[in-house]
Amino acid sequence: DIQMTQSPASLSASLGETVTIQCQASEDIYSGLAWYQQKPGKSPQLLIYGASSLQDGVPSRFSGSGSGTQYSLKISSMQTEDEGVYFCQQGLKYPFTFGSGTKLEIK
Amino acid sequence: EVQLKESGPGLVQPSQTLSLTCTVSGFSLTDYSVHWVRQPPGKGLEWMGVMWSGGSTAYNSALKSRLSISRDTSKSQVFLKMNSLQTEDTAIYYCTRDSYYFDYWGQGVMVTVSS
Repeated sequence: DIQMTQSPASLSASLGETVTIQCQASEDIYSGLAWYQQKPGKSPQLLIYGASSLQDGVPSRFSGSGSGTQYSLKISSMQTEDEGVYFCQQGLKYPFTFGSGTKLEIK
Repeated sequence: EVQLKESGPGLVQPSQTLSLTCTVSGFSLTDYSVHWVRQPPGKGLEWMGVMWSGGSTAYNSALKSRLSISRDTSKSQVFLKMNSLQTEDTAIYYCTRDSYYFDYWGQGVMVTVSS
């Protein structure tokens, strides 16, 4: 199975701050990566797919980058509504696997 | 509007079988695949398996011996059955639509395995 290692596990950021979350795959996933945001008591929501494509309706302050085994999600200006848990997910091979999550809070 | 909704029992006894239904609207099961993903309380996400739009299935090898996914396209429903449940199967179970990635999710159904 492809292991997805996410860092950091938790993060606090001030309003307007730039935030970066990292995700490392155990093998090359050829940009087959998505990022999801999950708020308490809610289902995950797709933010980024194909490593860098923004899902419809997602604010442009979210962006994704990376290739091979290393990927990142950037929030260019932290907002209150961005609090939540963020997961990466590889969609290249069965079983599709997720990172362990990054809990993002407002400082 | 695309919607997915999970339904099923909230409590299952150990060693029993879990049966869940995902009812979809706003799209056809013959055009889009539907996956099942679960999340133990306070933990991460685990992919369980998929009903491909063509009618075939694929399962997480860790669950394959216990898991079965089927569908009824006329009712726009996808079914999950998992046997020999244990306490570690306590989780929120989600169905989610595949548009190369998981673009729409159901609200989830909490399943507790306990006697």
